[in-house]
Amino acid sequence: DTEVTQTPKHLVMGMTNKKSLKCEQHMGHRAMYWYKQKAKKPPELMFVYSYEKLSINESVPSRFSPECPNSSLLNLHLHALQPEDSALYLCASTPGQNTGELFFGEGSRLTVL
Amino acid sequence: GQNIDQPTEMTATEGAIVQINCTYQTSGFNGLFWYQQHAGEAPTFLSYNVLDGLEEKGRFSSFLSRSKGYSYLLLKELQMKDSASYLCAVRDRSSSGAGSYQLTFGKGTKLSVIP
Repeated sequence: DTEVTQTPKHLVMGMTNKKSLKCEQHMGHRAMYWYKQKAKKPPELMFVYSYEKLSINESVPSRFSPECPNSSLLNLHLHALQPEDSALYLCASTPGQNTGELFFGEGSRLTVL
Repeated sequence: GQNIDQPTEMTATEGAIVQINCTYQTSGFNGLFWYQQHAGEAPTFLSYNVLDGLEEKGRFSSFLSRSKGYSYLLLKELQMKDSASYLCAVRDRSSSGAGSYQLTFGKGTKLSVIP
C-alpha cells in the first residue's frame, strides 16, 4: 500500500465554521506533512510531524491547528478561517523526516466563503 | 531550500526531448527532487539526486551538480500526457526546527507538449 489518503476531497466552509481535514497512510512512514498550495503556485510547507511530535511549524496562523493522533493519522483542524485561506491542502509522508521522497495525498480543496 | 529558480513555461513537440533547468542556493543541502503535477492533482515523485551525476529512469533523467547549485530534468520521447508542471524541490536544513530538514519547492515549470 503506497497511498496517502485525504478526506474530504472538497470542503466549503464559512468563516465562523469549525472543520477538520484528515490524512491517513499505512506505509509505516514516521514523518507526515501539511502543505498549502494556491493556484499556479508551488506547495508551501505548513507543518511537519516526526514520530508523532510537531517538528516544524512554519509560522502558520493559529486558526490552523494540526494534530497527530498516531503514526498513521494526521489531522488539520480549521477554525475562523479567512477567504484567502482557500487553497489545496496537501498531506504527505516520508519514511523519516530527513529521508526519502514525499508521497502526496490527492489533496483537500478548501473554499472559505 | 532558498532561491530555487526554474523557467516559468516551456513548449516542446511530441516525440522530442526537453530539458528543464533548476538552479538553487541553499545551506545544508540534503538532496534535490523533481515532481510532476498535472492541473488540479497532487504532485507525483519523478526523481531524486543527492550525489553529482545523472540518474536515469525510463524516459526521465535528472542531473545534479552540487558545486554549481544546478540540476536539470530531461524528458525524452515526449508524449502529450507529459504536459504538466514540473517542480524542482530542494531538501536542506530547516530554519524552523533544530536538526531538521525541510523540502522547499521551486515555482514550477509549466510544460506544454504540442503535436
